Amino acid sequence: GDSVTQMEGPVTLSEEAFLTINCTYTATGYPSPFWYVQYPGEGLQLLLKATKADDKGSNKGFEATYRKETTSFHLEKGSVQVSDSAVYFCALSAKTDKLIFGTGTRLQVFP
Amino acid sequence: DAMVIQNPRYQVTQFGKPVTLSCSQTLNHNVMYWYQQKSSQAPKLLFHYYDKDFNNEADTPDNFQSRRPNTSFCFLDIRSPGLGDAAMYLCATSREPTGKLAKNIQYFGAGTRLSVL
Repeated sequence: GDSVTQMEGPVTLSEEAFLTINCTYTATGYPSPFWYVQYPGEGLQLLLKATKADDKGSNKGFEATYRKETTSFHLEKGSVQVSDSAVYFCALSAKTDKLIFGTGTRLQVFP
Repeated sequence: DAMVIQNPRYQVTQFGKPVTLSCSQTLNHNVMYWYQQKSSQAPKLLFHYYDKDFNNEADTPDNFQSRRPNTSFCFLDIRSPGLGDAAMYLCATSREPTGKLAKNIQYFGAGTRLSVL
């Protein structure tokens, strides 16, 4: 079946470091990948999305490019801040009514 | 500008005492979802509504029920909460996708954290 695999955390970085969180998927049809972020004690917020191959989603300094040939949607940020500390979920919409989530990656940024 | 609102944010109940969590939305989306999220895990879909059509996940226990009286509101009822039901419960909404290329963007509420004593 359809699935999402993302790198395990926690990822621990110093402020201003470069961030990459890997996400790959297996799916049939016309999948769309997303990144959601969950701050402590909060619900999930849509961080960015892509709708077709080679689309680059970007928001708040985060970017991810939908690579159909490698079935990947890796999350990157050039310079992380303490306020970016959160759990990041890669998700996939492969069928029209449900999201498939990865296991989440906790990011901890220290000053 | 809250669009998906969950009440209460924190709920404490006793073992076996029925509890209801609520969700409302101002997006006029016709699809609403309930997820259960336990610590350090991904959200797990319990069920969802397409308008008034209820869709239960195969592994959702009978102890969990839901009601959707109108487009804006949806309730999660836990008939006899057990200790294992302590979790964050997330409500989400989306607009029903149309066509094979339509994408399902879900918008989440802040969640209700349920404690069972």
